[in-house]
Amino acid sequence: QKEVEQNSGPLSVPEGAIASLNCTYSDRGSQSFFWYRQYSGKSPELIMSIYSNGDKEDGRFTAQLNKASQYVSLLIRDSQPSDSATYLCAAGGSNYKLTFGKGTLLTVNP
Amino acid sequence: DAGVTQSPTHLIKTRGQHVTLRCSPISGHKSVSWYQQVLGQGPQFIFQYYEKEERGRGNFPDRFSARQFPNYSSELNVNALLLGDSALYLCASSPPPAVTQYFGPGTRLTVL
Repeated sequence: QKEVEQNSGPLSVPEGAIASLNCTYSDRGSQSFFWYRQYSGKSPELIMSIYSNGDKEDGRFTAQLNKASQYVSLLIRDSQPSDSATYLCAAGGSNYKLTFGKGTLLTVNP
Repeated sequence: DAGVTQSPTHLIKTRGQHVTLRCSPISGHKSVSWYQQVLGQGPQFIFQYYEKEERGRGNFPDRFSARQFPNYSSELNVNALLLGDSALYLCASSPPPAVTQYFGPGTRLTVL
């Protein structure tokens, strides 16, 4: 069973702090990795994609990938209350299917 | 550009009934995927279609079926509904040849 594991949280950080979200995957054939944000009652919204080992930065968001450790992370700098949501990690293989984790609930406290 | 659209937004059915959910991909996207998301879980893959051909199927019973039309829109059909089919059904589209998937707003299905 190919799995993606995330801490369910909730993860609570103060406004302005760095939020760190982590994810591990079991399928070594996974080639693409995604972070989606999902507000309560809404659909997932793509935040970041990463395909190569290392860091990828986009504004306040940084995704990190370590294929040897089968580990993906998302850092959110200067966290804002509007960042409060569930963050879903997904892994994709050659068949283009995405396997999702259960998500981590992030709460940013003003 | 318009995003992925899905209809209906909400749907209430009773056990044993049949349901059809519809999805229109982003213009230029030829791949459509369907996912089921139950409360507290991540989306689970149901089907993927590319150029009207089924490219992948998840671990769902034969009561679930789908198809893609020449204009790349798609339908998901579920027969003999069970209470456990209550979920948010998500459609996602991808541009060729990318794997990145963009989700629509979803259809909330409630089975009573």
